[in-house]
Amino acid sequence: GAGVSQSPRYKVAKRGQDVALRCDPISGHVSLFWYQQALGQGPEFLTYFQNEAQLDKSGLPSDRFFAERPEGSVSTLKIQRTQQEDSAVYLCASTDRNIPGNTIYFGEGSWLTVV
Amino acid sequence: DAKTTQPPSMDCAEGRAANLPCNHSTISGNEYVYWYRQIHSQGPQYIIHGLKNNETNEMASLIITEDRKSSTLILPHATLRDTAVYYCIVRAYQAGTALIFGKGTTLSVSS
Repeated sequence: GAGVSQSPRYKVAKRGQDVALRCDPISGHVSLFWYQQALGQGPEFLTYFQNEAQLDKSGLPSDRFFAERPEGSVSTLKIQRTQQEDSAVYLCASTDRNIPGNTIYFGEGSWLTVV
Repeated sequence: DAKTTQPPSMDCAEGRAANLPCNHSTISGNEYVYWYRQIHSQGPQYIIHGLKNNETNEMASLIITEDRKSSTLILPHATLRDTAVYYCIVRAYQAGTALIFGKGTTLSVSS
């Protein structure tokens, strides 16, 4: 596709429910990032993939958060046993080579509301 | 933590130039300055980036001071659609580093 695509665009989950958020990066982009953005705040880094390898997961807030990218293209962010504090926009971004000077492109985000 | 300081908000009249400042006094010699903006309910949009020299593209100009401790993003003729949160980001040189966002500047363009 022309840009980073995320689905679902909106998700309402009951507290305790598991959710899965999908990211389709720009075709050919080897680097992929996930961010979490709470209302009124800037995006916060969660995790980074280079192809299928998860090279940095230092931003994942708890062991309820899990991300994968098994074939080095599509990625899924899974949140287990959702809590109200997980309500946020989850942004995916990709770039063709993750070196300084390259542009990182963002998707429109998946809006998660936990009730 | 973000390595930049930006004013929380700015106003600009439509048709005027919007000059958004950013302080990055601890920037290292091989760190880039990136600017993104985020319009309500959308993902961050890339605007421009630079290392040492001033840069210009179809969206904006980036002026970096000679000592690289500050920069200014210039939108030459602001429109109502430029109302957004603007983020100035310093990105480390090492491969694999993510963009670290601060709180940004909320730019309000009015007619």
